[in-house]
Amino acid sequence: GAGVSQSPSNKVTEKGKDVELRCDPISGHTALYWYRQSLGQGLEFLIYFQGNSAPDKSGLPSDRFSAERTGGSVSTLTIQRTQQEDSAVYLCASTPPDGRYGYTFGSGTRLTVV
Amino acid sequence: AQSVTQLDSQVPVFEEAPVELRCNYSSSVSVYLFWYVQYPNQGLQLLLKYLSGSTLVKGINGFEAEFNKSQTSFHLRKPSVHISDTAEYFCAVSGPAGGSYIPTFGRGTSLIVHP
Repeated sequence: GAGVSQSPSNKVTEKGKDVELRCDPISGHTALYWYRQSLGQGLEFLIYFQGNSAPDKSGLPSDRFSAERTGGSVSTLTIQRTQQEDSAVYLCASTPPDGRYGYTFGSGTRLTVV
Repeated sequence: AQSVTQLDSQVPVFEEAPVELRCNYSSSVSVYLFWYVQYPNQGLQLLLKYLSGSTLVKGINGFEAEFNKSQTSFHLRKPSVHISDTAEYFCAVSGPAGGSYIPTFGRGTSLIVHP
């Protein structure tokens, strides 16, 4: 597609439920990133995929968070047993391998845990 | 390790006045530097980037930034702002740490343009 697509744009879930957030990167972009943006905060790095290499999961805040990327394209971020502190905007970005072209962001998924 | 400090959380300014949004970074390797803008309820949009070469970088919407290696700064400027420039601005740094280019973002500066 022309840009990075994220779905859903908004998600309200009950505490304790699992949620899945989807990211469809720009075709041909081998690198994909997930970030979390909490109210009044900057962007918190979560996870990074590059081609077929093992992902860099160093930013995942707990083992309730996981992500996968199928076929080097679409990625899904899963949050299990959601907590209220998980409420945030989750942003996905993609780029060609070395980052010099800048990072193209999707519009994000606003997650609200009630 | 790399880090970014945006020195002002909020910058109020009147329309048609000049503005500077400050950004300092730290990194042990050569870096790429970026400024992004985020309008309400939208994702981040690239304003400009510094990779190498000329230290003065021009971007979209009349913004420019100057890379200063000795001061490890990459401040964003615009000579005359418009109401429509009201948004959140993020400075970011990335570099080839271990073969990956994971950008680190500052906490953002909220630019508020008053009529």
